Amino acid sequence: QKEVEQNSGPLSVPEGAIASLNCTYSDRGSQSFFWYRQYSGKSPELIMSIYSNGDKEDGRFTAQLNKASQYVSLLIRDSQPSDSATYLCAVNVDDYKLSFGAGTTVTVRA
Amino acid sequence: GAVVSQHPSRVICKSGTSVKIECRSLDFQATTMFWYRQFPKQSLMLMATSNEGSKATYEQGVEKDKFLINHASLTLSTLTVTSAHPEDSSFYICSARGGGGGNTEAFFGQGTRLTVV
Repeated sequence: QKEVEQNSGPLSVPEGAIASLNCTYSDRGSQSFFWYRQYSGKSPELIMSIYSNGDKEDGRFTAQLNKASQYVSLLIRDSQPSDSATYLCAVNVDDYKLSFGAGTTVTVRA
Repeated sequence: GAVVSQHPSRVICKSGTSVKIECRSLDFQATTMFWYRQFPKQSLMLMATSNEGSKATYEQGVEKDKFLINHASLTLSTLTVTSAHPEDSSFYICSARGGGGGNTEAFFGQGTRLTVV
């Protein structure tokens, strides 16, 4: 079983809609969770970190964490064409190492 | 977010030569640095983890004698691809974390696109 699994996508949403990205992880002891955005040909960019159960909002992005269900999600509200990218879920698996999901590619249709 | 600078951004080298890639944390002390490789349309593959002043820990299947990693200071790590071959052509990306343990965010460098001809 992979440590971090994401819905495979690709995910296509119309401009202005909500894009919903899901991620599950296998290590019940994980305490830190991150979402990265990667544009084609570029390196990943951190967009959200979340450590406690519940929701965390930052602009149009909301991360949701449920440790009991080992589930973390990212919502992108009012999706824009510039949000078209691959989104990577990352989970802390020990003191310093992150385990990444394979990524979900999002396309926002204008 | 914190800034991680990686150089060069793009390099073309001849088969059999060595290439050094630098990764610097510009505004924080990077206790741990990571080196990844990414092939087109594939996910990140962790190659090795390095902590300042100690030997790097390589992932299974990564040749430590081919991919030399040095983390000599809290702000600089280097990856040297020795005796490069065309199959080593890939996008190499470094990442750095500060000393706060698991709750510390990791930031990526811009990546280095290596082409071996």
